[in-house]
Amino acid sequence: QSALTQPASVSGSPGQSITISCTGTSSDIGTYNYVSWYQQHPGKAPRLIIYDVNKRPSGVSDRFSGSKSGNTASLTISGLRAEDEADYHCCSFTGSSTWVFGGGTKLTVL
Amino acid sequence: QLQLQESGPGLVRPSQTLSLTCTVSDGSISNGGLSWNWLRKPPGRGLEWMGYIYYSGSTYYNPSLKSRIAISLDASKRQFSLQLTSVTAADTAVYYCARKIPATNWFDPWGQGTLVTVSS
Repeated sequence: QSALTQPASVSGSPGQSITISCTGTSSDIGTYNYVSWYQQHPGKAPRLIIYDVNKRPSGVSDRFSGSKSGNTASLTISGLRAEDEADYHCCSFTGSSTWVFGGGTKLTVL
Repeated sequence: QLQLQESGPGLVRPSQTLSLTCTVSDGSISNGGLSWNWLRKPPGRGLEWMGYIYYSGSTYYNPSLKSRIAISLDASKRQFSLQLTSVTAADTAVYYCARKIPATNWFDPWGQGTLVTVSS
């Protein structure tokens, strides 16, 4: 199973909105509404911020939102803050009890 | 709040077996519905799901690793373990353990991760 495709880096200024894309295939994102997103600060554990395409776990800011169109999922962060600077990873169920991740995107808050 | 912690050698020689343990902070490891997962992130590459185990001992592995991986569980120690045989430099990565709840498709929480370098 090939990895999902994410941009290596994105950047934005405080207060702005940014969107990170995650492109898969008809075998994963295109078929299943089981996309999750993880935020990871350096040296820290990945943290779940979006599941099932657009749901937020309790305690996650509503500045984080997810969506999907066709084979591409997206994570949008609105009202950027300095603490949002981190790596972001997307993940999709692929069927047969397997999951595939993207290459990760480094978000820089200018 | 559940916490997971990986432990094991940070350096493994090529062709040897990589062995890591994940310690679970509470007794939920004995919850039959939960799956206990191993994932890894090689430097400069994306995360890779490696496999999982249930309390029952049932396992499922990433087909790309199936011939080299084994995951076991010791509920009395609140631990589950990873063994990866015949390692090469390509197995150098930060290794994470994580929980998955039944009938879901996300991993939460994760351990902090442990770096394993394969080198002679």
